[in-house]
Amino acid sequence: DAKTTQPPSMDCAEGRAANLPCNHSTISGNEYVYWYRQIHSQGPQYIIHGLKNNETNEMASLIITEDRKSSTLILPHATLRDTAVYYCIVRAPQGNTGKLIFGQGTTLQVKP
Amino acid sequence: GAGVSQSPSNKVTEKGKDVELRCDPISGHTALYWYRQRLGQGLEFLIYFQGNSAPDKSGLPSDRFSAERTGESVSTLTIQRTQQEDSAVYLCASSLFREETQYFGPGTRLLVL
Repeated sequence: DAKTTQPPSMDCAEGRAANLPCNHSTISGNEYVYWYRQIHSQGPQYIIHGLKNNETNEMASLIITEDRKSSTLILPHATLRDTAVYYCIVRAPQGNTGKLIFGQGTTLQVKP
Repeated sequence: GAGVSQSPSNKVTEKGKDVELRCDPISGHTALYWYRQRLGQGLEFLIYFQGNSAPDKSGLPSDRFSAERTGESVSTLTIQRTQQEDSAVYLCASSLFREETQYFGPGTRLLVL
């Protein structure tokens, strides 16, 4: 699976949009971009995933660049409960038994 | 619907003892994964089950670690002769199929004294 690069930490004001970047310059054509987050002392929580097109669900939006070498997770109105470590993972659906390879992620601190 | 559940939520044991951790996947999910997360670290893949196929054990760190799963139901992860370095959170995830999104349980926090 392709490696990803994320900033180690970010701050965001409560109520503002949080934009979390991820670089995946070596992504292959069949690899999806997945986002998970891990709130302190909990298991990872699935947020969203996509292949080429931008995606939106009740939690977040995922913007993938046209060349697919980077993406941005957007939390439109961050709350204090969104403080967590956010992981960007690229994953081939048929490869590596489907296991997820987690990097160090971005620690997002939402401040009042 | 019910998510992935794990038990116990916390386990304290003495070095050298055996421990057994349990994972109940989401009903109908054929794929099941175990991961380990040491304090302040990312997740490490341990083992993967898919239906009745032979499991992928490539992530197990030593022969003290083993896991079983009967069909598409409960899985148990066993650590024999525990060492202090085994202290970690052990996370289980399941997905409908291998290619699908994985959903995680809350984890079992293991402390080996």
